[in-house]
Amino acid sequence: GQSLEQPSEVTAVEGAIVQINCTYQTSGFYGLSWYQQHDGGAPTFLSYNALDGLEETGRFSSFLSRSDSYGYLLLQELQMKDSASYFCAVRDRGGQNFVFGPGTRLSVLP
Amino acid sequence: EADIYQTPRYLVIGTGKKITLECSQTMGHDKMYWYQQDPGMELHLIHYSYGVNSTEKGDLSSESTVSRIRTEHFPLTLESARPSHTSQYLCASSERLGNTIYFGEGSWLTVV
Repeated sequence: GQSLEQPSEVTAVEGAIVQINCTYQTSGFYGLSWYQQHDGGAPTFLSYNALDGLEETGRFSSFLSRSDSYGYLLLQELQMKDSASYFCAVRDRGGQNFVFGPGTRLSVLP
Repeated sequence: EADIYQTPRYLVIGTGKKITLECSQTMGHDKMYWYQQDPGMELHLIHYSYGVNSTEKGDLSSESTVSRIRTEHFPLTLESARPSHTSQYLCASSERLGNTIYFGEGSWLTVV
């Protein structure tokens, strides 16, 4: 089956850079996604990596190393509004459904 | 902007009542999902559908049922609600080969 691991909590200050790691074990791999979820809200898509390397979208970047079964989400120039939970996700064995990690709660302090 | 809608957003019901959570999407997506999530916790897949007349149970055992009679509609029903069903229920959809899953705003259910 699939399993994903993420740190449960990360704390940083405004303006800082933070990296949220995700390691995964899958019987098939179709790419790693990242989602952001604010308290009381729904998860929203941030990024997707199918190939090794870094993908940049504004202040957020996502990295993937398929050989290491590892990826991370990099958030730069942190803002208070970035305080949220961040989930990594992969497709399951058949590539049909999305399996989510346990989530990392990011707290941005002033 | 994703076009997926859930109703009701918030609901408090008594034990033993029947409840249906509605979910509709206007994107024409073949795949639809129901996730259950307690505050600050993981998302657990409870049901999914690949298209009309296709429904499957997810990884988390659930006493709910779903139907998919139309592409855009994927309601979830609890025949007899219990306090253990208190949670947030998130509906989602994706394209058949898409890499992005779009979530609705969620339905917060409290069973007293």
